[in-house]
Amino acid sequence: AQTVTQSQPEMSVQEAETVTLSCTYDTSESDYYLFWYKQPPSRQMILVIRQEAYKQQNATENRFSVNFQKAAKSFSLKISDSQLGDAAMYFCAYFDYGGSQGNLIFGKGTKLSVKP
Amino acid sequence: DTGVSQNPRHKITKRGQNVTFRCDPISEHNRLYWYRQTLGQGPEFLTYFQNEAQLEKSRLLSDRFSAERPKGSFSTLEIQRTEQGDSAMYLCASSLVGGQFFGPGTRLTVL
Repeated sequence: AQTVTQSQPEMSVQEAETVTLSCTYDTSESDYYLFWYKQPPSRQMILVIRQEAYKQQNATENRFSVNFQKAAKSFSLKISDSQLGDAAMYFCAYFDYGGSQGNLIFGKGTKLSVKP
Repeated sequence: DTGVSQNPRHKITKRGQNVTFRCDPISEHNRLYWYRQTLGQGPEFLTYFQNEAQLEKSRLLSDRFSAERPKGSFSTLEIQRTEQGDSAMYLCASSLVGGQFFGPGTRLTVL
């Protein structure tokens, strides 16, 4: 079965600095998607960035970028120029159309604090 | 607002009562998902619809839980004979392909 592991329960970053959140996953599939979701306190889950496994190029969305290492099954999120509004729980998630039938498998999350 | 909507946002009920939640997906999305999230955890998959067909149910979905998506539009999740362990945030998401878009969730508290 597919699993997603986020080994950092909490992270902290100074405003305007850069932070990297880690995620590893396990799968026997070759075609899948990876996502990072942001969940601010008491607010809904927001899709931050997605990566298709067949694409070698790392995805980028404004200040958010990923480092996708398919062989190592690693998918880290880099947030540049951190802002106070980036403070939230960040969840790494995996998705494929194979055995999981299309549902997302989430990690336990990393709580990011941003210090002014 | 064309995002995923969920009602009610909060529900407090007594143990043993039945509750029903509603999810309205993004209109062109054919896939709809229900997840449960407890404090400090990531969402856990409950069930999934493609159009009106319920294609998968998690083992978390006991026989007290039932979900429907008549006509492939909105969906309802019903919990019968609620237990205190059912207290959680119930999230709905919809998608076409790939990324799922989440609603604000329904927070259930069972007293």
